[in-house]
Formats: sequence, structure tokens, C-alpha cells
Amino acid sequence: GNSVTQMEGPVTLSEEAFLTINCTYTATGYPSLFWYVQYPGEGLQLLLKATKADDKGSNKGFEATYRKETTSFHLEKGSVQVSDSAVYFCALSDRNDYKLSFGAGTTVTVRA
Amino acid sequence: DSGVTQTPKHLITATGQRVTLRCSPRSGDLSVYWYQQSLDQGLQFLIQYYNGEERAKGNILERFSAQQFPDLHSELNLSSLELGDSALYFCASSADGTAQETQYFGPGTRLLVL
Repeated sequence: GNSVTQMEGPVTLSEEAFLTINCTYTATGYPSLFWYVQYPGEGLQLLLKATKADDKGSNKGFEATYRKETTSFHLEKGSVQVSDSAVYFCALSDRNDYKLSFGAGTTVTVRA
Repeated sequence: DSGVTQTPKHLITATGQRVTLRCSPRSGDLSVYWYQQSLDQGLQFLIQYYNGEERAKGNILERFSAQQFPDLHSELNLSSLELGDSALYFCASSADGTAQETQYFGPGTRLLVL
């Protein structure tokens, strides 16, 4: 079945530091890949997505590239802000299994 | 604001009781998903409906059931509640329920079983 593995947290950074959260996946078909973000006390929001190999998703300074050869979708941001403190989830879905399969989530704390 | 609404926001109940969680999808979305978020299990898919019909089932207990009504809102019924059912329950919706689509999540219902 489908599964997602993402780096364990928590991750603590200083403002303006570089952030990377690793995500790898296992899927039987050709999945679509997503990063969702959950701010404290809120629901999940889509951060970015990519639906085919070599696609790059980007939003709010975050980027992730769909790498089929390494089955990865790592999230990066060049300069984080305190407002980026949240839990980040990597997820996938494929045409045989429309549900989202989520990674365990990575808690990121950015200190001023 | 995702456009997905869930009620109630919080629910406190006792073991053995039954509760109903309600979800209204974004306007125009035909597919509704239910997920459970708990500390030990993470985010787990429960069930999906598309235009009133059940499309997919995940790790949903037999004590749990759901339905999607003609106006497309959905309800998740949890019965014979146990302490371990305490969790955050999310509803999500998408236009056609296909793999490439973004699922839009509601704010969740936090259930506490005492």
C-alpha cells in the first residue's frame, strides 16, 4: 500500500534560517504529492502540491520538487519567519486510492 | 477559511455514549472525506463519500458510520464511545474526489471521551 515517511521533529530554527523537511514515499501507482501545514489550533491547509514527476510546487516561499527516481518530495524554504512555526505534513494520493496518506508530521518552531 | 464547516468545534462526552459530527463541504464540492487525528495514530483516513455514495473506506471502526445527504453535507456517527476515540476529527472536501485534486479541510471537531 501507499505510505509516506517524513523526518521526525521537532525542528527548532532561528529566524531567517534555511528549512528543509525530508519526505519519501512508497506508492503502487503514480501519486500526486502534497504538503499541508497545520498552525496551532487550526485545521490543515494546503501549502503546495505536485501531480507528476519533476513538477515543482511552490507557495509562500516554500518549494518542493517531485523526484520519481528517489521517491522524494522534500520541502524547503530559504529564510523562515516566526509565523512559519507549525506542523508540516507530507501526503500522497493516487488514482487507485483517492484518500490522502499522511506522514507523521514535523513540528517546526522558529525563534526570533 | 477553507469553506468547509464542521460542527461542533468541541465535544465532551462519556464512554458508551453516541455522538454525531457534522460537515458541510465547500460550495460545489461533491466529495467528502473524514479523517481522525490522534497522538498515537497520526492522521488516518476513515471514509469517503462522493455525491451521496460511499466511495472508499479506511480504518473506520464498526462502531462508526457516516453518510452524505442529498444536500451534500455529511455526518459521522460515533457510538459506544471509548476513551481511545478521543481525537480531532477532520472533514475535507474536493470537487470530484480524484487523486490530483486538493482536499480542503475544515477546522475539525475535537472529541474528548471521559
